[in-house]
Parts: sequence; C-alpha cells; structure tokens
Amino acid sequence: NAGVTQTPKFQVLKTGQSMTLQCAQDMNHNSMYWYRQDPGMGLRLIYYSASEGTTDKGEVPNGYNVSRLNKREFSLRLESAAPSQTSVYFCASNLQGGNYGYTFGSGTRLTVV
Amino acid sequence: QKEVEQNSGPLSVPEGAIASLNCTYSDRGSQSFFWYRQYSGKSPELIMFIYSNGDKEDGRFTAQLNKASQYVSLLIRDSQPSDSATYLCAVPLEYGNKLVFGAGTILRVKS
Repeated sequence: NAGVTQTPKFQVLKTGQSMTLQCAQDMNHNSMYWYRQDPGMGLRLIYYSASEGTTDKGEVPNGYNVSRLNKREFSLRLESAAPSQTSVYFCASNLQGGNYGYTFGSGTRLTVV
Repeated sequence: QKEVEQNSGPLSVPEGAIASLNCTYSDRGSQSFFWYRQYSGKSPELIMFIYSNGDKEDGRFTAQLNKASQYVSLLIRDSQPSDSATYLCAVPLEYGNKLVFGAGTILRVKS
C-alpha cells in the first residue's frame, strides 16, 4: 500500500518554464489537495478537489492549474514558473472534506532560478 | 486575526519533561481538530485528532479541546529527543471543505 505518491521529488526550473507535478493515491480517497510550504508561512492551500470531476481554488491559486484526472490522480501544473514559486509542494488526500485527517505525499522540492 | 494561530517557538524542554503546544482558531463552527508532526525535510504525519471537548489520550500524547475558548492543545509527556520536530495544528474551516494549518511550533527536546 503506497499511500500518496508524488513525482518528482526534486526539480529545478528556469523562469518561464512549465512543468507538471504528479500525485496519485491508492486509498480510494474522494478528496485531494495541493499545498505549498514556505519557511515561516506554514502550509497554504493552492487547489483542492473535493471529489472526482470537481476542483476549487484555495488560498494561493495564482500561477497554477490543476487536473483531477480520475479518482486516483490529481496533477498540479505551473504554466510559466516564477522565482516566487520556489517552495516545497505537498499533495494530500482524505476520505472527504476537512473533517477527516489527511495523508500526505513525500513532497516535491521545487527551485525556480 | 489568523484563522489558525500557533506560537512559532522554538519551545525547548528537557528530556523527560512535559511539552505543551497550543493552538487557537477563529471558526466557532469547527468540529474536528488535528495535530501533525513534521520532521525536518519530511512530510507532515497525523498524530492526533479530537472531536469532543475535553481530553483525548494516545500513549504519551494528550490532545485537549476547549470549544468555548476556541483553543486546542497537545501535551507530550516524557518528552524524548525523537519528539523534536515541528508540530502543526489543523482545523477545518469554511463549512469543513478543507483543512487550514497553523504555521507550526518548533519543539526541541534536549537530552
């Protein structure tokens, strides 16, 4: 049972490049989330998907897009990377909504130069 | 006022002592409360959750909830150096659609 799998683990991008962060869960969870974590600012929600076929903006959605490909997979795309997007990105999933604890992936450390 | 507030620390305690971590939240309608532990360079790991007022114990960890005062705390008894980590409080806000995390409290247990 792998839980939540994120790829890649590390990435360096040049300003203006694009990339997609992949996330997959094998726990039959309905809801999936993308957070970014910056020093001193905690975890901030970028986008979430309450169930297959739906996506909603979180606290810091600008510069990102998401796709809930199926129940298992939820990807995050940076169309034109900026240095301000240098961060650690975590994908998480849970049964449904905020009243159930999350399981987190191992994270992607992204540097934009 | 931030939605979920924690003292950033660091909180330093000697080995064997009780570590007390606190969290306040803004939404009186919140029903569930979560504590995550995050080691440096790792992802957050769920260690405790509490739904009802009062105390909930799990091994060396006790979560305390006071909905009237809108705070939740985590006590770690017999603290060990391996407990040194950042502890994140999380509360579901906006009708429970998602969790909002505090910035975390750094705990250092000195041997």
